[in-house]
Amino acid sequence: EDQVTQSPEALRLQEGESSSLNCSYTVSGLRGLFWYRQDPGKGPEFLFTLYSAGEEKEKERLKATLTKKESFLHITAPKPEDSATYLCAVQSRSNDYKLSFGAGTTVTVRA
Amino acid sequence: KAGVTQTPRYLIKTRGQQVTLSCSPISGHRSVSWYQQTPGQGLQFLFEYFSETQRNKGNFPGRFSGRQFSNSRSEMNVSTLELGDSALYLCASRPQVGEQYFGPGTRLTVT
Repeated sequence: EDQVTQSPEALRLQEGESSSLNCSYTVSGLRGLFWYRQDPGKGPEFLFTLYSAGEEKEKERLKATLTKKESFLHITAPKPEDSATYLCAVQSRSNDYKLSFGAGTTVTVRA
Repeated sequence: KAGVTQTPRYLIKTRGQQVTLSCSPISGHRSVSWYQQTPGQGLQFLFEYFSETQRNKGNFPGRFSGRQFSNSRSEMNVSTLELGDSALYLCASRPQVGEQYFGPGTRLTVT
């Protein structure tokens, strides 16, 4: 069964203080790894898809990277509006109809 | 393009009752998936529909069911509600392949 573990559970940052979130995964044949952002009371918002080790994607202050065992979401010079829960999910080749999610990392950025 | 819409947004039901939730996918998306999100279990896959056929089902009891219509709209039904069914129910749509886009969710409270 696909397994996704995210760390840390919570992260408190000062505005401008860069940091990284980790997503470790075990999957039998990775089709894709996905990052989502979720604000309280809302549905997850799609951020990135990564398909193969070595791949990187960037969007504003966020950068996602992928290795064979884990993915990192780097937040550079965060702002208070980056406060949210960041979810990592994997899709396997054998079960490509569903996403298996980690528990998420809740990021709080103080001004 | 309009996003995924879900109705109702909030629902309060009593134990033993049944409930029907509705989801309208992004135009052109034929795959609709349903997820349950709770603080303890996180996001868990319920089932997926494609072209009016349930292709896959997660590890949930038979009280949870769904269907998809010819216009790709989907409904999810939960019968004989239990307190543990209280959750945020999320619908996601995608093209035949690719990332899933989530709706805002329906918050179900069972009393």
